[in-house]
This record gives sequence, C-alpha cells and structure tokens, in this order.
Amino acid sequence: NAGVTQTPKFRILKIGQSMTLQCTQDMNHNYMYWYRQDPGMGLKLIYYSVGAGITDKGEVPNGYNVSRSTTEDFPLRLELAAPSQTSVYFCASSYYTRNTGELFFGEGSRLTVL
Amino acid sequence: KNQVEQSPQSLIILEGKNCTLQCNYTVSPFSNLRWYKQDTGRGPVSLTIMTFSENTKSNGRYTATLDADTKQSSLHITASQLSDSASYICVVSGGYQKVTFGTGTKLQVIP
Repeated sequence: NAGVTQTPKFRILKIGQSMTLQCTQDMNHNYMYWYRQDPGMGLKLIYYSVGAGITDKGEVPNGYNVSRSTTEDFPLRLELAAPSQTSVYFCASSYYTRNTGELFFGEGSRLTVL
Repeated sequence: KNQVEQSPQSLIILEGKNCTLQCNYTVSPFSNLRWYKQDTGRGPVSLTIMTFSENTKSNGRYTATLDADTKQSSLHITASQLSDSASYICVVSGGYQKVTFGTGTKLQVIP
C-alpha cells in the first residue's frame, strides 16, 4: 500500500518556466489537498478537491492550477514560475474532510525557482 | 484571526530524557486538535487526535493533553529515543474545512 506518492522529489526551475507536480493516492480517498511549507511557517493550503471533477481554492492559490479527473490523481500546475514559489510542496489526502479526518501526506516535492 | 502558536521553536535533549512541547491556539469554534510528527525530508504523520471532551490521550511514549478552556495542548515524550528527532506540528481544526497549522517544534535527541 503506497499511500500518497508525489513526483518529482526535487526540481529546479528558471523564472517563467512551467511545470506540473504529480500526486496519486491508492487509498480511495475522496479528499485531496496541496500544501506548501515555507521555513518558519505553518503549512498553507493551495488547492483542495472533495472528489473527482471538483476543485476549490485554498489560502494561497495564486500562480497555481489543479485538476482532478480521477479519484486517484491530483496534479498541481505551476504557470510562469516565480522565486516566491520556491518551497516544499506536499500533497495529502483524507477519507473525511480535513477538519475531521486524518491527513495522509506524501513525502514532499522541493522546488527551487532561480 | 485563527492562530496556532507552538513553543519552544527548537529543543535539544539527551536520549532517555523526557520533554514537553506546547501548543496554544485561538481557533474558534474548536473541532479537534492533532499532533503530527514530521521527520526530516518526509511528510507529516499523525500521532494523535484530541476532541473537545478529551483531556489526555496516549500513543506509546507520546502523551497529548488538551485544556479546551485555556486553549492549550501539550505533547509529552517519555524516555526519548534518537528516532524521536523530528518536527512536531500542532494542527487545530474548527468550523467547516478550517484547519490551521502551527509552525512546529524541532526536536533533536542526542546520544
């Protein structure tokens, strides 16, 4: 049982480039999330999804896009990368809503924008 | 504004010693409080969940307490091991879909 799998683990981008962080889960969870973790800060919610075909913005959605075509996959798209998007990104999933259920996190994707 | 503050920011203890991490929150309404452990380079993993009616909950050598009146929680680690070296994150939930993460306490256990 792999849980939540994120790829890539590390990536360096130049300003203005675009990329997609991949996330897949095999726990059949309806709820999926993307967070970013910056040094000295708590995790911030970027986007979330309550099921296939449904996505919504979190606290810090600017500069990002998501899609949810299947229950398993929830990719995060960065358009026109900026240095402010240098961060560690975590994908997570939960069986119940995030304020009641346990969040299961991937191992993270460290992104550097130069 | 919903906030979760953790103290200390970092802590170094000798292997075998006990320690206590603190979490103060202003989240309202309150639904539950979770403690997560985050090993370096890994994602957070849930240790325990506390609801409004619970005062104490244990998970092995980890014991969490909750005082909903003063809006404080603590995580006590007994007989620390090198593998306890990690960041410990307090996460408070309240209201629909509202989840607030603390900034974490970085614990280092040295031999």
